[in-house]
Amino acid sequence: SQTIHQWPATLVQPVGSPLSLECTVEGTSNPNLYWYRQAAGRGLQLLFYSVGIGQISSEVPQNLSASRPQDRQFILSSKKLLLSDSGFYLCAWSDRASTEAFFGQGTRLTVV
Amino acid sequence: TQLLEQSPQFLSIQEGENLTVYCNSSSVFSSLQWYRQEPGEGPVLLVTVVTGGEVKKLKRLTFQFGDARKDSSLHITAAQPGDTGLYLCAGAENNNDMRFGAGTRLTVKP
Repeated sequence: SQTIHQWPATLVQPVGSPLSLECTVEGTSNPNLYWYRQAAGRGLQLLFYSVGIGQISSEVPQNLSASRPQDRQFILSSKKLLLSDSGFYLCAWSDRASTEAFFGQGTRLTVV
Repeated sequence: TQLLEQSPQFLSIQEGENLTVYCNSSSVFSSLQWYRQEPGEGPVLLVTVVTGGEVKKLKRLTFQFGDARKDSSLHITAAQPGDTGLYLCAGAENNNDMRFGAGTRLTVKP
């Protein structure tokens, strides 16, 4: 069966520090991968999606970047965090032929 | 870029009551999903609807896809406290850019 791992679960970082959140998927090949950010109790904002290694689509201009160095690995990064980067970050995957998404447990990022 | 609007934003009801929440858009979707999310966790897929006019039932939950594939509804019969959560709809015009509505926060009081 397929599983998705996302870590860390919580993170407190100072303003101006770098960020690296990692997401890996097991049990499937060539998945679509997604990073979302969620404001408290609200909907999900699509940040990046990837349909293959090295292929990244960015949805909104921001202080963040994403990379997909391996087929089942998706990384969210920032060189210098801003206070406004605080939030709940969710990684998800789907099959190529499907729009059904399966989510990781999320990372609660607090920038102080 | 399609926009998914969900209503109501918040809903608080007593155990045993029925409710309906809505997901509307001006865009046509190839498919639409409903998810439920609990605090501090990722959303969990409940159902996918694909065909216009389609109705799917999941125990006490009934999902309907509009004939034009632009809207959907979720009806819960005899709500229970365990139904409490954030209900999100999501759609994609193609298979790559899944987008979510802002959600309906449901609270079922015992």
